[in-house]
Amino acid sequence: ETGVTQTPRHLVMGMTNKKSLKCEQHLGHNAMYWYKQSAKKPLELMFVYNFKEQTENNSVPSRFSPECPNSSHLFLHLHTLQPEDSALYLCASSLHLQVNEQFFGPGTRLTVL
Amino acid sequence: AQSVSQHNHHVILSEAASLELGCNYSYGGTVNLFWYVQYPGQHLQLLLKYFSGDPLVKGIKGFEAEFIKSKFSFNLRKPSVQWSDTAEYFCAVNRVNDYKLSFGAGTTVTVRA
Repeated sequence: ETGVTQTPRHLVMGMTNKKSLKCEQHLGHNAMYWYKQSAKKPLELMFVYNFKEQTENNSVPSRFSPECPNSSHLFLHLHTLQPEDSALYLCASSLHLQVNEQFFGPGTRLTVL
Repeated sequence: AQSVSQHNHHVILSEAASLELGCNYSYGGTVNLFWYVQYPGQHLQLLLKYFSGDPLVKGIKGFEAEFIKSKFSFNLRKPSVQWSDTAEYFCAVNRVNDYKLSFGAGTTVTVRA
């Protein structure tokens, strides 16, 4: 248990659905991250928030929409996804952006039909 | 762009065997280096990290890694593995003062009892 929780743990959705992934950290960290983990590929950084402000959008398609209402919560809103978006979506946090040790949540396994 | 290469895709070995996983990175500046482990069904967790100082770094669970700057390498070692070391291992690198972590594709380690 790292202090970073993610819900749901598994999600199956159709291409026309709208769903949201939630991440919560109980570590008092100020930076939060979304990563995509596909089989046998390096983790891909998607979004970074620092003190609720987005500092990075790593060329992510607009069908992924992040939201960070406060430093403890991070959402990833999903709509009109494609089957190739099926992956494990990981949330992470760090004390500050410049503190490099990131703590990861368990991930949400997303399947797009 | 910075890249991280992990040489072994899948390693299978018996209990008590020695383990060495290779990691090389392409960036030539000052870097921070990490090894993360992901046990089956669990979240990514930090095994060890190198920021500066002694290039031989000791981590949790008997793991160590050696930073060889001239070879741009940060190989992970364990002298005697256990069945419980079965997991996926990820090397990660970032430039000092840059929050963006670049991950390798991971090495799956299977330890046979």
